[in-house]
Amino acid sequence: DADVTQTPRNRITKTGKRIMLECSQTKGHDRMYWYRQDPGLGLRLIYYSFDVKDINKGEISDGYSVSRQAQAKFSLSLESAIPNQTALYFCATRQGSGELFFGEGSRLTVL
Amino acid sequence: AQSVTQLDSQVPVFEEAPVELRCNYSSSVSVYLFWYVQYPNQGLQLLLKYLSGSTLVKGINGFEAEFNKSQTSFHLRKPSVHISDTAEYFCAVSELGTNFGNEKLTFGTGTRLTIIP
Repeated sequence: DADVTQTPRNRITKTGKRIMLECSQTKGHDRMYWYRQDPGLGLRLIYYSFDVKDINKGEISDGYSVSRQAQAKFSLSLESAIPNQTALYFCATRQGSGELFFGEGSRLTVL
Repeated sequence: AQSVTQLDSQVPVFEEAPVELRCNYSSSVSVYLFWYVQYPNQGLQLLLKYLSGSTLVKGINGFEAEFNKSQTSFHLRKPSVHISDTAEYFCAVSELGTNFGNEKLTFGTGTRLTIIP
């Protein structure tokens, strides 16, 4: 089983719909992150959390919200999806200043 | 604020030839540096990292990178590439701040390495 699991792996939805992407980890790391990947733009940070009570906005948080339900779970929500939120979304975990461990990604298409 | 520049968006290389993928960063403080690889339809995985010590860092799959503080660079190299090295490669930087342990990673835009048989 993967250390960082994302669900769903693929999702197609319509403009205006609410979408939740879920992430769970078995690594016991305290830090969790949501990134968005777009061709030619690399990875951009949406939100990050250093522990259950500490959630911070990244560089592109508008239109997104998150919830850290437990140390192992970090969900990303799009309250009202729009087409320019079509992208590949990655959850990642990290312990201290070490490397990031990534999930396999969730491909979201908003029509 | 930190930033990362990967000037080459695509690099085609013949099989068994050497390759260098360039990465330059901008920061006013000390940094940690990383290279990640993304194979098709997969997440990112760590190739190598520089935290401190020797400026020449060796990673997995025969890759290495050299930290050059004066040139603010962290170029990735491999002496002989294989078809299996076809992937996208991302450079990332993490600034060492006063709130140790809470640094954020900033990624470059990626370099797509294509190996030509």
